[in-house]
Amino acid sequence: EVQLVESGGGLVQPGGSLRLSCAASGFTFSSYEMNWVRQAPGKGLEWVSYISSSSISIYYTDSVRGRFTISRDNAKNSLYLQMTSLRAEDTALYYCARGPPGGSGYWDYWGQGTLVTVSS
Amino acid sequence: DIQMTQSPSTLSASVGDRVTITCRASQSISSWLAWYQQKPGKAPKLLIYKASSLESGVPSRFSGSGSGTEFTLTINSLQADDFATYYCQQYNTYWTFGQGTKVEIK
Repeated sequence: EVQLVESGGGLVQPGGSLRLSCAASGFTFSSYEMNWVRQAPGKGLEWVSYISSSSISIYYTDSVRGRFTISRDNAKNSLYLQMTSLRAEDTALYYCARGPPGGSGYWDYWGQGTLVTVSS
Repeated sequence: DIQMTQSPSTLSASVGDRVTITCRASQSISSWLAWYQQKPGKAPKLLIYKASSLESGVPSRFSGSGSGTEFTLTINSLQADDFATYYCQQYNTYWTFGQGTKVEIK
């Protein structure tokens, strides 16, 4: 069974940093593209960052580029999001999501999310 | 950036109704469109990909159509389990979502 389990969220002050993790199981993690997606409280879905299976290709949405860094450790079946210079508008539930076999752009499995709250 | 616009934002319907949600892209995305269902407190669930392909395990009452800039998600014979928020997502150029359509009980 495919499982994605996020962790690392919490309360952080504006300007602070946080590192999110996503532990994958039930599939060959090293073969799949992965993404971070967020959802502010009561709002819609927003793509945050993408990483290819071998980490060769990495993309960010404009609002986080230069502040967030996506990475993965295929040996540990884990995906990460290092977040720095956090702002109130980064407050959201952060999901990791898997690209499908063959990498066609949509996401077939999602974790349950980890909540990041940026507030003083 | 490609903008995605869904309509309506909220839809009131009854069990057994046929429901249609529309999603428009600000430029052509061919058929690179997915639909997701999200229930309160849960992660989104993939329903449809490549505009009209039904994800494995998704009931056949869900269907998608369209190409280019205009797409629809249809739910035939709405069931109690279908009351949720639905999002379209383009994956032609990076990824963007529509604002969501909440399907609520009439």
